[in-house]
Amino acid sequence: LAKTTQPISMDSYEGQEVNITCSHNNIATNDYITWYQQFPSQGPRFIIQGYKTKVTNEVASLFIPADRKSSTLSLPRVSLSDTAVYYCLVGDVIGASKIIFGSGTRLSIRP
Amino acid sequence: NAGVTQTPKFQVLKTGQSMTLQCAQDMNHNSMYWYRQDPGMGLRLIYYSASEGTTDKGEVPNGYNVSRLNKREFSLRLESAAPSQTSVYFCASSPGTDNTEAFFGQGTRLTVV
Repeated sequence: LAKTTQPISMDSYEGQEVNITCSHNNIATNDYITWYQQFPSQGPRFIIQGYKTKVTNEVASLFIPADRKSSTLSLPRVSLSDTAVYYCLVGDVIGASKIIFGSGTRLSIRP
Repeated sequence: NAGVTQTPKFQVLKTGQSMTLQCAQDMNHNSMYWYRQDPGMGLRLIYYSASEGTTDKGEVPNGYNVSRLNKREFSLRLESAAPSQTSVYFCASSPGTDNTEAFFGQGTRLTVV
């Protein structure tokens, strides 16, 4: 399983775009990149998943460069309710089931 | 839709006592997981079940046992609870093959005194 490295914490302000970068230098060919969000006292919630280039949904965008050794989660125009811990995961989705979380990035949004 | 349901929500145990945490999902998912989360820390995988009838150790399996009772249910047992097992326990499920989007329960807050 590829190890991931992401900042321990980040601060931003309401209305700003927030980009959280995750490094995964040992990513394997079959590995996908997945991001989860966790609010206090709740289980994590899936945000977005991608393999290469760019993926966008109603919540976020995920940018993956050609070498796939890193990825960036982009949250447009954040609000106070986006204050949470964000986890970057890397793993094989083809026939695999092991989902390992790292330590995550604690994002704090200020008014 | 209920999704992933865990029972109980809260539990206090004395050291040495045993208990079973229950988890059930109604999404017809193949894979199920048990995690623990200590205060201010990330989630650590205890055990997982890729499909009905199979279970495998995760990152921190010592002191725990699991049973995949059927496709819906995956239980976690503490045979002899220790204070180091004080944590929040999360159960999750995912479709499995080709899709690892996991859905989590609301958690069980366990305190061992």
